[in-house]
Amino acid sequence: GENVEQHPSTLSVQEGDSAVIKCTYSDSASNYFPWYKQELGKGPQLIIDIRSNVGEKKDQRIAVTLNKTAKHFSLHITETQPEDSAVYFCAASMEGTNRDDKIIFGKGTRLHILP
Amino acid sequence: DAGITQSPRYKITETGRQVTLMCHQTWSHSYMFWYRQDLGHGLRLIYYSAAADITDKGEVPDGYVVSRSKTENFPLTLESATRSQTSVYFCASRDSTDTQYFGPGTRLTVL
Repeated sequence: GENVEQHPSTLSVQEGDSAVIKCTYSDSASNYFPWYKQELGKGPQLIIDIRSNVGEKKDQRIAVTLNKTAKHFSLHITETQPEDSAVYFCAASMEGTNRDDKIIFGKGTRLHILP
Repeated sequence: DAGITQSPRYKITETGRQVTLMCHQTWSHSYMFWYRQDLGHGLRLIYYSAAADITDKGEVPDGYVVSRSKTENFPLTLESATRSQTSVYFCASRDSTDTQYFGPGTRLTVL
């Protein structure tokens, strides 16, 4: 089955700097890669996703890149702000004809934005 | 209110007791999921359901039971709670674009 590895487990960056979180997946059939943000005391919330037919997707200060050959994808946050402090989860699943019932999550990255 | 809700938000119980965590969604999503979140383990899937009356095991199903008699409800029961089941439990539903929507969580402590 699919396995998703996420690094680092903890990341501290100065406010205004960029943050990068990396994930690798094992099943080459996976074609949907969402990222979730979990704020303290809340459930995770989708912030951006990418499908395997594109290599990069951007939404304001957040971008995700996908390298299908290497089976890894990354989350990039630019101009970090205090409200970016949270736990971030990457995930992988398979859409389409052989769609997965389940989505596999990485173990999460705790991002601290330092003032 | 539209969305996904969980109850109770906090629960303290004793070893051996039966506990049921409730989950309700208003979108009529077919898929629903139960996860537990523990430090160092991220989100681990307990059970999921593809539709009413269809349920299947996830990664860590032992000690848990689920049912889905109605599309909008997906209760999770711990038949005989153990200390190792102390955790934060999240329910989620999934829409047709594969986006998962998580509830606010239930913090369960088993003494």
